[in-house]
Amino acid sequence: NAGVTQTPKFQVLKTGQSMTLQCAQDMNHEYMSWYRQDPGMGLRLIHYSVGAGITDQGEVPNGYNVSRSTTEDFPLRLLSAAPSQTSVYFCASSSTTGRDYGYTFGSGTRLTVV
Amino acid sequence: GESVGLHLPTLSVQEGDNSIINCAYSNSASDYFIWYKQESGKGPQFIIDIRSNMDKRQGQRVTVLLNKTVKHLSLQIAATQPGDSAVYFCAELFTGGGNKLTFGTGTQLKVEL
Repeated sequence: NAGVTQTPKFQVLKTGQSMTLQCAQDMNHEYMSWYRQDPGMGLRLIHYSVGAGITDQGEVPNGYNVSRSTTEDFPLRLLSAAPSQTSVYFCASSSTTGRDYGYTFGSGTRLTVV
Repeated sequence: GESVGLHLPTLSVQEGDNSIINCAYSNSASDYFIWYKQESGKGPQFIIDIRSNMDKRQGQRVTVLLNKTVKHLSLQIAATQPGDSAVYFCAELFTGGGNKLTFGTGTQLKVEL
């Protein structure tokens, strides 16, 4: 049982480049989210999904796109990378079945935009 | 509101002492409050949660207290160990809005030998 898997773990981009951060979960969770974490700060919600085909914006969505074609996968696309997007990105999933509402997080992708 | 600044509040405790980490939350409609532990270079790890209609919940060596009157949450760690050193975040979960999880500013816990 792998939980939440994020790839790549590290990435360096040039300003203006685009890329996709991958996220996959094998727990059949309905809910998935993307967060970014800047140094010394908490996690801020970028986009989230309540199920396949349904996504919505979080607190800091500008510059990012998401889609959810399957329950398992929730990729995050950077359209035109900017230095302000240098951060650590975390994907998370959760389910509302049972009593455990707590999200399970991946190990993160550390992105540097130069 | 937005968190500002690069320096997290720090709590230093002696090994074996009890630790109390505090958090203020903002959304009275939140259904659950959750504590996460984040070690360096890793993602947040679920510790314990409490439903909004409760005021106390205990786990293994941890207790969470919820005071809805003053919108305050605390995490108590008994007999703190070196492995407890990490950043601790409180988070609010609103199940009615797509299960959105909102994080607070973290606290760095340092355990001194």
